[in-house]
Amino acid sequence: NAGVTQTPKFQVLKTGQSMTLQCAQDMNHNSMYWYRQDPGMGLRLIYYSASEGTTDKGEVPNGYNVSRLNKREFSLRLESAAPSQTSVYFCASRKIQGVSNSPLHFGNGTRLTVT
Amino acid sequence: DQQVKQNSPSLSVQEGRISILNCDYTNSMFDYFLWYKKYPAEGPTFLISISSIKDKNEDGRFTVFLNKSAKHLSLHIVPSQPGDSAVYFCAASSSSGTYKYIFGTGTRLKVLA
Repeated sequence: NAGVTQTPKFQVLKTGQSMTLQCAQDMNHNSMYWYRQDPGMGLRLIYYSASEGTTDKGEVPNGYNVSRLNKREFSLRLESAAPSQTSVYFCASRKIQGVSNSPLHFGNGTRLTVT
Repeated sequence: DQQVKQNSPSLSVQEGRISILNCDYTNSMFDYFLWYKKYPAEGPTFLISISSIKDKNEDGRFTVFLNKSAKHLSLHIVPSQPGDSAVYFCAASSSSGTYKYIFGTGTRLKVLA
């Protein structure tokens, strides 16, 4: 059971280049999330998708776009990368069952450097 | 505005002793709280959670305490082991339908052998 899979694991971009971070989960989860982790800042929510077909902004959405391609896949796109987007990006998912809460399951991250 | 705060960036504890990690929150709508553990080069892994209808939840060596009036939660690890050395994040969410989990900045725990 792979859980949440992120690709690529590492990426170096030049300022202004674009790229898409891929995320797929095989747990039949409803909701998917993109976070970034920076030193001293913890995990900050970029975008999330509560269910297939919906996406919403999180705490730090500027400079990013997302696509919920289907129930399994949620991609994050940087249209014009900036050095401030150097970070470790984590994708996560969770199952929504009625009104009960459930934990997030995370992938192992993509380490992005923008020069 | 940081809605979830972990004011101690780091903590060192001797093996076998208790580790206490603290977390404060400001949003009174939060009603579900979680702790995650993160090793270098890996994603965070879920450790333990607590709903606001409880004030304590225990799972083996890990216990989470919730003080709603103080908007404070803590994670106790007893006894601490070297393998517990990691960064610990607390997170909070509201069941009012936003589906967002807000994380603290993390506390790096080092358990000394």
